[in-house]
Amino acid sequence: EVHLVESGGGLVQPGGSLRLSCAASGFTFSSYSMNWVRQAPGKGLEWVSYISSSSSTIYHADSVKGRFTISRDSAKNSLHLQMNSLRAEDTAVYYCARGGGVATYYFDYWGRGSLVTVSS
Amino acid sequence: DIQMTQSPSSLSASVGDRVTITCRASQSISTYLNWYQQKPGRAPKLLIYAASSLQSGVPSRFSGSGSGTDFTLTISSPQPEDFATYYCQQGYSTPWTFGQGTKVEIK
Repeated sequence: EVHLVESGGGLVQPGGSLRLSCAASGFTFSSYSMNWVRQAPGKGLEWVSYISSSSSTIYHADSVKGRFTISRDSAKNSLHLQMNSLRAEDTAVYYCARGGGVATYYFDYWGRGSLVTVSS
Repeated sequence: DIQMTQSPSSLSASVGDRVTITCRASQSISTYLNWYQQKPGRAPKLLIYAASSLQSGVPSRFSGSGSGTDFTLTISSPQPEDFATYYCQQGYSTPWTFGQGTKVEIK
């Protein structure tokens, strides 16, 4: 069974940094692209970052470009999101999501999420 | 960026009613359209991918259709566990974008 478990969230001051992690199990992690998707309180879903299976291709949403960095460690079956220069508008639940699809790209498995609160 | 617009934003339905949610893309995305269900406090769950393919384990009362810019999610006979928020997502190009969501409530 596919399992994704996020950790590392918490309260941080504006301008601060935080590193999220996602532990993956139940599938061959090195064969799949991975993503971070966030959801601000009471709002909809926003894709944040993508990393290919080999880490050769990385995309970030414009809203986080230059501040967030996605990475993965396939030896440890883990995904990370380094978040710097955090702003109040980054407050959200951050989900780790496995990517898939032959033509369309979808998110087929999600973790339970990690809450990041940016506030003074 | 491709904008995704869902309608309605919310609806009320009775158990057994037919429910239809629409999603419109700001440009043609062929059939690169996916649907998710989210319940309060839970992670989203993939229901339908490539506009009409049912994800494994999803009940057959869920169906999807459409291509180009206009898409539909239909719940043929909603059960109590189907009352949730539904999102469409385009899987055509980055940045992958979601609709704003449709909340389906019990009448």
